[in-house]
Amino acid sequence: AQSVAQPEDQVNVAEGNPLTVKCTYSVSGNPYLFWYVQYPNRGLQFLLKYITGDNLVKGSYGFEAEFNKSQTSFHLKKPSALVSDSALYFCAVRDIPGNTGKLIFGQGTTLQVKP
Amino acid sequence: EAGVAQSPRYKIIEKRQSVAFWCNPISGHATLYWYQQILGQGPKLLIQFQNNGVVDDSQLPKDRFSAERLKGVDSTLKIQPAKLEDSAVYLCASSLGVGSTDTQYFGPGTRLTVL
Repeated sequence: AQSVAQPEDQVNVAEGNPLTVKCTYSVSGNPYLFWYVQYPNRGLQFLLKYITGDNLVKGSYGFEAEFNKSQTSFHLKKPSALVSDSALYFCAVRDIPGNTGKLIFGQGTTLQVKP
Repeated sequence: EAGVAQSPRYKIIEKRQSVAFWCNPISGHATLYWYQQILGQGPKLLIQFQNNGVVDDSQLPKDRFSAERLKGVDSTLKIQPAKLEDSAVYLCASSLGVGSTDTQYFGPGTRLTVL
């Protein structure tokens, strides 16, 4: 069965420092991976996705993610964190064998960026 | 381009009462999803529609939950009767199709509190 894991409940970084939010995945077949961000009392906003091709995927708001097949990881990164990046981040994988298109989400990681 | 619309944004009910949520997807999106997000967890799919047909409802508690998308556009999700454990955020999402690469776009969600 497809699954993703986000090993950190919370990540704390200082504004201006680089940030990394970790995600590992387990899939049968090719992985289709997504990152979403959720601000308080808001729905999920799409950041980026990996389908195929370049292992470094660039997305919205200066975020990028690195796909690593050997480590089965898809970590979210940003070179310089902003206080406004503080939010809940979800990694997700497409349920390919089910062929329904549903996303399977991780538990989420809270990012706290301090001034 | 207008996003996914949901209403109401908040709802508080007593257990055993009924409640209904409404969703209007992005114009032209054939696929509509309802996810349940319990506090501290990632969203989980309840039901998926392709146009007005059900693609996946395997995780929908059918003894109390129902959903419809009669004209292939907007959708309603109903809970009757509600239980305490139904307290959650109900997220609606839409995508162009069910392709593996299709991005799902989420609405702001409805926060349900069952007392």
